[in-house]
Amino acid sequence: ETGVTQSPTHLIKTRGQQVTLRCSSQSGHNTVSWYQQALGQGPQFIFQYYREEENGRGNFPPRFSGLQFPNYSSELNVNALELDDSALYLCASSPGGLGRRTSEQYFGPGTRLTVT
Amino acid sequence: DQQVKQNSPSLSVQEGRISILNCDYTNSMFDYFLWYKKYPAEGPTFLISISSIKDKNEDGRFTVFLNKSAKHLSLHIVPSQPGDSAVYFCAASATGTYKYIFGTGTRLKVLA
Repeated sequence: ETGVTQSPTHLIKTRGQQVTLRCSSQSGHNTVSWYQQALGQGPQFIFQYYREEENGRGNFPPRFSGLQFPNYSSELNVNALELDDSALYLCASSPGGLGRRTSEQYFGPGTRLTVT
Repeated sequence: DQQVKQNSPSLSVQEGRISILNCDYTNSMFDYFLWYKKYPAEGPTFLISISSIKDKNEDGRFTVFLNKSAKHLSLHIVPSQPGDSAVYFCAASATGTYKYIFGTGTRLKVLA
């Protein structure tokens, strides 16, 4: 069974640029959530996708957007990067469904984004 | 507004002794709580959870206690092992929502 994978591991971008981060869910999981973890903070929920539809969103501006594909892999896109976007971005997959809560989310190792 | 708080950024414990990690929350709608462990360069790993209908859940060396009236939960690790050294996050969610609110984490160091 393959776990959650994310790419790239590290990324350096310049303010104003756009970035795409990728996540492959654990086999059999149809729900993926994205989190931002700033230094010294806990993960903050960005949004969740279930069967290719956005299932909920945290307090992040619209320049944070996502996609989920038929194979349940996912992308996080961030436009017009700001210095404060520098963080570890985590995706987590789960076997949950729309409106359901699952006890376990399986996290990937994260992508470390640095905006200069 | 930090709805889930872990007020101890770090904790050091001798190997074999008990580790107690604490977490407080403010939102009375939270009814499901989890603990995650995170090693450097890895994603958080689910450890143990508890529903608000219980006040205790145990899994091997790990026990989570929930005090709803105090809006407080704690994770007990007995006996502590050097491999337990990691950052521990508590997280909470409410029925009908789809997101977990995480605390800021406590770095546990178990000394051999």
